[in-house]
Amino acid sequence: DSGVTQTPKHLITATGQRVTLRCSPRSGDLSVYWYQQSLDQGLQFLIQYYNGEERAKGNILERFSAQQFPDLHSELNLSSLELGDSALYFCASSVMDDTGELFFGEGSRLTVL
Amino acid sequence: GENVEQHPSTLSVQEGDSAVIKCTYSDSASNYFPWYKQELGKRPQLIIDIRSNVGEKKDQRIAVTLNKTAKHFSLHITETQPEDSAVYFCAASGGSGNTGKLIFGQGTTLQVKP
Repeated sequence: DSGVTQTPKHLITATGQRVTLRCSPRSGDLSVYWYQQSLDQGLQFLIQYYNGEERAKGNILERFSAQQFPDLHSELNLSSLELGDSALYFCASSVMDDTGELFFGEGSRLTVL
Repeated sequence: GENVEQHPSTLSVQEGDSAVIKCTYSDSASNYFPWYKQELGKRPQLIIDIRSNVGEKKDQRIAVTLNKTAKHFSLHITETQPEDSAVYFCAASGGSGNTGKLIFGQGTTLQVKP
């Protein structure tokens, strides 16, 4: 158990819909990262938040948005869903914003039908 | 932009043999290079990491080497066992923006045959 909690574990929805994925980082961790892993694909960096502020942005689609709340949990919002958005979405956390180990949650598997 | 290339994409070895996975990174400012192991349907887990001020690091059957000049780093697994079968990802961080974000390679599927 990494200490990073993601909900929901599984989500099935239809094209055009909107979903919210939630992540609670390890206790004390200030940085949260979101990654997308499509079938047989690598881990694509989406976005990073540090202590409530956006810190780094990857190849995140405009249909996707995220935020980190004062209690440090984070949400990833995916809208106007397409079939290609079906993937495993991982949240990871780290203590600060410097280089070091990221601790991953178990992921949220999104299926868009 | 930052990029990490990983080879090979698949690797099949006999139990007891060694396995080597290689990565190259594009951003010379990168200074932290971890390796993660991901079993099917599970979360990635760190198995070993190395920082740019070190050339080699070993932990039992696993070792990582770093060549900063060539911007290469490699994972070496000796005396492979069936439980080593998984997908291995290399990554780099500390580059553009110097944040903690990791840029991952494409992954290597390692199969260890009994």
